[in-house]
Amino acid sequence: KAGVTQTPRYLIKTRGQQVTLSCSPISGHRSVSWYQQTPGQGLQFLFEYFSETQRNKGNFPGRFSGRQFSNSRSEMNVSTLELGDSALYLCASSLTVGGTGELFFGEGSRLTVL
Amino acid sequence: KQEVTQIPAALSVPEGENLVLNCSFTDSAIYNLQWFRQDPGKGLTSLLLIQSSQREQTSGRLNASLDKSSGRSTLYIAASQPGDSATYLCAGMDSSYKLIFGSGTRLLVRP
Repeated sequence: KAGVTQTPRYLIKTRGQQVTLSCSPISGHRSVSWYQQTPGQGLQFLFEYFSETQRNKGNFPGRFSGRQFSNSRSEMNVSTLELGDSALYLCASSLTVGGTGELFFGEGSRLTVL
Repeated sequence: KQEVTQIPAALSVPEGENLVLNCSFTDSAIYNLQWFRQDPGKGLTSLLLIQSSQREQTSGRLNASLDKSSGRSTLYIAASQPGDSATYLCAGMDSSYKLIFGSGTRLLVRP
């Protein structure tokens, strides 16, 4: 059974640009959550989607947004990129809403903002 | 507000040693606690999930315990191997269903 797939794995952007990251969950999983990992702040929750609805949101500015499609695939978008947005963005899927079940993570998308 | 702390930040042990990684959380109202492993530049691999009603979970050489009353969880690794070298993260699901991560323990098992 395929795991969580994130694309692209690596990308470089410049300040002011926007970026879209994609996440395909494990087949049958309907919950997708996103996390940002940086050396200074560690892993921080961005948001969670279940059945195409955002169920939960972390403390990030409105420049960070996401959506989920009917096939459970999710995308997150960051607009007006800042240097501090450089991070590893991780997506996780779970069978249950709220992530009360086990979370399975993808390999991440490493974003570098120049 | 839930906060998760992991001590020590780094640990170096010789191969074959049994070891314990510690995780503490401030709010006992957690729904579950999950241990993950992260290799450099990689995503997270789920190791063990303990629901709030459980006290421990075991998988192979790994055993994780949860004590909500004291706000602690431990991950016990038996007979450590060089392949166990990685960063180990614990995360608690708080009352708003957000997973709060500790900063991790970087483990090195020396051959």
